[in-house]
Amino acid sequence: GAGVSQSPRYKVAKRGQDVALRCDPISGHVSLFWYQQALGQGPEFLTYFQNEAQLDKSGLPSDRFFAERPEGSVSTLKIQRTQQEDSAVYLCASSLYGFDTEAFFGQGTRLTVV
Amino acid sequence: AQRVTQPEKLLSVFKGAPVELKCNYSYSGSPELFWYVQYSRQRLQLLLRHISRESIKGFTADLNKGETSFHLKKPFAQEEDSAMYYCALVNAGGTSYGKLTFGQGTILTVHP
Repeated sequence: GAGVSQSPRYKVAKRGQDVALRCDPISGHVSLFWYQQALGQGPEFLTYFQNEAQLDKSGLPSDRFFAERPEGSVSTLKIQRTQQEDSAVYLCASSLYGFDTEAFFGQGTRLTVV
Repeated sequence: AQRVTQPEKLLSVFKGAPVELKCNYSYSGSPELFWYVQYSRQRLQLLLRHISRESIKGFTADLNKGETSFHLKKPFAQEEDSAMYYCALVNAGGTSYGKLTFGQGTILTVHP
């Protein structure tokens, strides 16, 4: 009965470096979300997957951000050519399906771009 | 556009005192409201949701559609209630998949 697992927990990247953040959702959960949480702010939506289909990527801040969930389970959020403003905690959440099912969050990955 | 506002960044009370964390929202459709909590060094977790009308850990929240508010209340605060609290909403329409819009959060500190 593991919960949502994210790795790495902490990542320091030099400006311009590419990074990949991994999310293992709860087994059987159809919905998977990525959120970005800047310091002192609430989480903000980035993108949503229903199984392997990325149905909403309206929150991705630029084309440097890319997410995938190729087999409908594990998801990867990739950030190319990182900038200082990308420094944040990246949260992954999964749920069974639909607005009325509880979203379970991972511990997050804290990305610091130096 | 939907928005959630938590006017207090910080809230301090003494143990045993009542506590109210404020949340206001703006949304043109049919929202479902939630309170999430994050204790120190733990992950974000659901505290309660409007639709279930439960009292969790002594906390309650009433949806006031006229005032577009969903304030979180507890009559007697405990030290273990110290945490970050987020109010959030989701579109409760038929095609909604549960994308959450969060407020900025309120840090609650309960002093002994």
